[in-house]
Amino acid sequence: QLQLQESGPGLVKPSETLSLTCTVSGGSISSTSYYWGWIRQPPGKGLEWIGTIFYNGDTYYNPSLKSRVTMSVDTSKNQFSLKLSSVTAADTAVYYCARQKVTVGGDDYWGQGTLVIVSS
Amino acid sequence: DIQMTQSPSTLSASVGDRVTITCRASQTISYWLAWYQQKPGKAPKLLIYKASSLESGVPSRFSGSGSGTEFTLTISSLQPDDFATYYCQQYNVYSRTFGQGTRVEI
Repeated sequence: QLQLQESGPGLVKPSETLSLTCTVSGGSISSTSYYWGWIRQPPGKGLEWIGTIFYNGDTYYNPSLKSRVTMSVDTSKNQFSLKLSSVTAADTAVYYCARQKVTVGGDDYWGQGTLVIVSS
Repeated sequence: DIQMTQSPSTLSASVGDRVTITCRASQTISYWLAWYQQKPGKAPKLLIYKASSLESGVPSRFSGSGSGTEFTLTISSLQPDDFATYYCQQYNVYSRTFGQGTRVEI
């Protein structure tokens, strides 16, 4: 059974960089059948796509966040990561990682989510 | 950017009701649309992909239809477990956008 698990600090100071890692177990991140993505959800609000990465490092970012987002993949560790720079309180959210099907689409496996609070 | 607009924002219904949620795209997205169900404190769950394909393990009372810019999610007979928030999502290689969500309440 595929599992995704987010990890990283739960508290980040304003202007600093938020860093999260998603560890994939029960399947290979190197599969050509899937993309891997990050989605976030501010408390009490809707879902926002942050970005998507392929096993070869190809990345696609939300234009509204593109200047602050960097995603990377480590196939040897079966992990992919998110960095979001210059954070503000507006970046406070539950951050989810997810697997995204390449050919037919849809995010079929999700991590449980991790709450990141931006506060001094 | 492609914008997704769901309606209604909130829907009040009873067990056994037929429920329909609409999602409209700001430009044509062919059939590249998914529907998700989310319960409080949980990650979203994929229900429908490619506008009308039922994800494995999802009850057949859920169905999706539409193409181009207009899409619907239908629950044929609402069950107690279905009270949740539903999101549509357009997707392509380069971008994804979620609708603002529809809360289905008793």
